[in-house]
Amino acid sequence: EAQVTQNPRYLITVTGKKLTVTCSQNMNHEYMSWYRQDPGLGLRQIYYSMNVEVTDKGDVPEGYKVSRKEKRNFPLILESPSPNQTSLYFCATQGQVGSPLHFGNGTRLTVT
Amino acid sequence: AQKVTQAQTEISVVEKEDVTLDCVYETRDTTYYLFWYKQPPSGELVFLIRRNSFDEQNEISGRYSWNFQKSTSSFNFTITASQVVDSAVYFCALSEGESSGDKLTFGTGTRLAVRP
Repeated sequence: EAQVTQNPRYLITVTGKKLTVTCSQNMNHEYMSWYRQDPGLGLRQIYYSMNVEVTDKGDVPEGYKVSRKEKRNFPLILESPSPNQTSLYFCATQGQVGSPLHFGNGTRLTVT
Repeated sequence: AQKVTQAQTEISVVEKEDVTLDCVYETRDTTYYLFWYKQPPSGELVFLIRRNSFDEQNEISGRYSWNFQKSTSSFNFTITASQVVDSAVYFCALSEGESSGDKLTFGTGTRLAVRP
């Protein structure tokens, strides 16, 4: 079954404590991306990756890092989380250009 | 730059009513893709439909239908005979394809509440 797996589903942390949200896909897709969802703002792209070792900034990259060392994994790293990064995060993959994104189930992050 | 506007923040209807969710988009590209996603209370994003810019045919899938009009840059979504299970947040999204690295630009979403 085609899957995008994010972990954890829920995370509560404190300001400044580094964290990583993992994302893994089994569809052999080259394109992966991260979005954050905030009330009244919809979903906004944080980072994306067109292939292994190729990453680029989206619309709201500040405070985030990503890496793409292998095709199936695309972790999102918050080196020093702050309360304004409290949000619902989605990882997504895509096959061909213009095809629908496949989303993970989301990670709800709270930074106190 | 691409932009998607969903002017309706929240809509409340009674079961069995028809409801239309509006979506207006902006893009300078001639090749682009439009999507609708559903986000039920459980939080996951469920893909509903994709349309490319060269296909203006309307589409019907059961109680769902979509009206794509390039002349007004709109891609509206109608639910006929709404049901409580249709209660969700609905997002319209736009991708300019290769020119933007396949980034999806989302509208701010419309929260639909269907009351029994």
